Amino acid sequence: GEDVEQSLFLSVREGDSSVINCTYTDSSSTYLYWYKQEPGAGLQLLTYIFSNMDMKQDQRLTVLLNKKDKHLSLRIADTQTGDSAIYFCADPGALDSSYKLIFGSGTRLLVRP
Amino acid sequence: SAVISQKPSRDICQRGTSLTIQCQVDSQVTMMFWYRQQPGQSLTLIATANQGSEATYESGFVIDKFPISRPNLTFSTLTVSNMSPEDSSIYLCSVLGQGYGYTFGSGTRLTVV
Repeated sequence: GEDVEQSLFLSVREGDSSVINCTYTDSSSTYLYWYKQEPGAGLQLLTYIFSNMDMKQDQRLTVLLNKKDKHLSLRIADTQTGDSAIYFCADPGALDSSYKLIFGSGTRLLVRP
Repeated sequence: SAVISQKPSRDICQRGTSLTIQCQVDSQVTMMFWYRQQPGQSLTLIATANQGSEATYESGFVIDKFPISRPNLTFSTLTVSNMSPEDSSIYLCSVLGQGYGYTFGSGTRLTVV
């Protein structure tokens, strides 16, 4: 079945850029998501990218998609302490599938002052 | 995007009892999902709640343990039955609204003692 993988942990200094990586297996994915989960909170949709795009920029966030390698990344510029959270990539598969989201394991981002 | 009200936000329950979690959406949605997030883990789909018919359960989850109701297009409940400490998790409902975004409730943090 579909699988989504992420590295588990990333530590950066405040003001640096953070890059969180994700790989997926479902080649029929129509779009891919990035969610943020702060401690004790639900999931917040950060951004998504269509599979026919290779880059999407939204303020401090840049999403890169390499469909050939099935690799997705999220870059956070000028990382702040408030960015400390767990980041999940998620894949809903093809539009005509069950619409269920498959989540990666989550990457815990720690921003050091 | 849709706004979800999920209740209760947290509860501590005795083993052997049941807890019903409610999810209310501010607009009609076709697709509604229930997820479990075990401590320190990613999200796992429990089932897709179908309006007017039985929920569709994922492998490893059964209706007797996690009965789901979906009486209309704005409301669903998940019951965690005959609870044990292993059921201690965060339970989240999610909807696929207009556009491409999956919105999540704030979650129910369940502790079984």
